[in-house]
Amino acid sequence: AQSVTQLGSHVSVSEGALVLLRCNYSSSVPPYLFWYVQYPNQGLQLLLKYTTGATLVKGINGFEAEFKKSETSFHLTKPSAHMSDAAEYFCAVTPQGNYGGSQGNLIFGKGTKLSVKP
Amino acid sequence: DVKVTQSSRYLVKRTGEKVFLECVQDMDHENMFWYRQDPGLGLRLIYFSYDVKMKEKGDIPEGYSVSREKKERFSLILESASTNQTSMYLCASGTQGKGGGNFGPGTRLLVL
Repeated sequence: AQSVTQLGSHVSVSEGALVLLRCNYSSSVPPYLFWYVQYPNQGLQLLLKYTTGATLVKGINGFEAEFKKSETSFHLTKPSAHMSDAAEYFCAVTPQGNYGGSQGNLIFGKGTKLSVKP
Repeated sequence: DVKVTQSSRYLVKRTGEKVFLECVQDMDHENMFWYRQDPGLGLRLIYFSYDVKMKEKGDIPEGYSVSREKKERFSLILESASTNQTSMYLCASGTQGKGGGNFGPGTRLLVL
């Protein structure tokens, strides 16, 4: 079965520092990959997704992620953290066979809470 | 913008009560999903539906049922609420062939 591992349940960075949130997936066939952000007491908002094509994907709020098939990774980065980036971030996959079919359900990692220090 | 709305943001129920959580989307999406979110466990899929009157079990369907009588509405039903069903419930919708999903704001359910 597919699984998603997010390394580090809590990450703390200083304002202006690089943000790096790690995500690895287990699959023999590359799935479709997503990053979501959740602010306190809110639902999930899509940051970016990788389906096919260019492996470096740019998302909203200055975030980007790179799909590395050889490493089965999809790490999320942002060059300079802002206080407003403090939130919980979830990596998710949709098994490739499901993407175009009737399912399209997501398998989530357990989340990484990002804190940004002034 | 896709809007997914959930009937309640916060809900308090007693053990044994029947609980209905409603979700409505306004973008004519075929797929709708119910997830449960618990600290340290991420989001887990309870049920999903890819068409009216169609439903499929997710990873943790026990103790839950669903109903999809209209395309825009997907209801989650707790037949007899228990304290271990205290959680945040998130509804999502999506288009076939697109993957992912648009999420509602969530319903935080407390079962006493």
